[in-house]
Amino acid sequence: AQSVSQHNHHVILSEAASLELGCNYSYGGTVNLFWYVQYPGQHLQLLLKYFSGDPLVKGIKGFEAEFIKSKFSFNLRKPSVQWSDTAEYFCAVVAGGTSYGKLTFGQGTILTVHP
Amino acid sequence: GAVVSQHPSRVICKSGTSVKIECRSLDFQATTMFWYRQFPKQSLMLMATSNEGSKATYEQGVEKDKFLINHASLTLSTLTVTSAHPEDSSFYICSARVVGGHSPLHFGNGTRLTVT
Repeated sequence: AQSVSQHNHHVILSEAASLELGCNYSYGGTVNLFWYVQYPGQHLQLLLKYFSGDPLVKGIKGFEAEFIKSKFSFNLRKPSVQWSDTAEYFCAVVAGGTSYGKLTFGQGTILTVHP
Repeated sequence: GAVVSQHPSRVICKSGTSVKIECRSLDFQATTMFWYRQFPKQSLMLMATSNEGSKATYEQGVEKDKFLINHASLTLSTLTVTSAHPEDSSFYICSARVVGGHSPLHFGNGTRLTVT
């Protein structure tokens, strides 16, 4: 079974700092990769996704992520964070084939951005 | 865009009672819906996959008789927590995917269940 690991449980940054959240997965086959964000008091929202093609994917609100197959990684980045980016971020993986749609989530990373 | 509505958003019940949570896809049909549970300070955990017109598929460790899932139509799945206990207090989230195509999951707003 696939698993997803997010390395940082809590990241604290100041506004304008650069962000990189790590995500590694364990599955040898085709995967679809996602980053979801949950703002305080709100529901999960899709930030970006990777299915195929260009391994560098751009999402909403200036976020991007790079799929590095050899490293089984899908790290999330943003050049300059804002206070409004304070939220919890989840990396998720779907193994290809019949289990499509069955997400495996990472533990989540809480991002706190100080103004 | 696709919207998933989950109701109620918050419920408090007494130990021993049952609680039903609804998950509706408002503007699309979903043959499959997923139910997740989020414990405090932990990740989302898939509980079960709800299939329209057939039995749900439960993940290992999830009690089928305690968490009853019914997916009676292409737009509605329900999760019933039977004989709830305080340890069932959690955040439950459903998600659904548009039938066909490579589309990501759309999530409901979640239900905060507190069992007293």
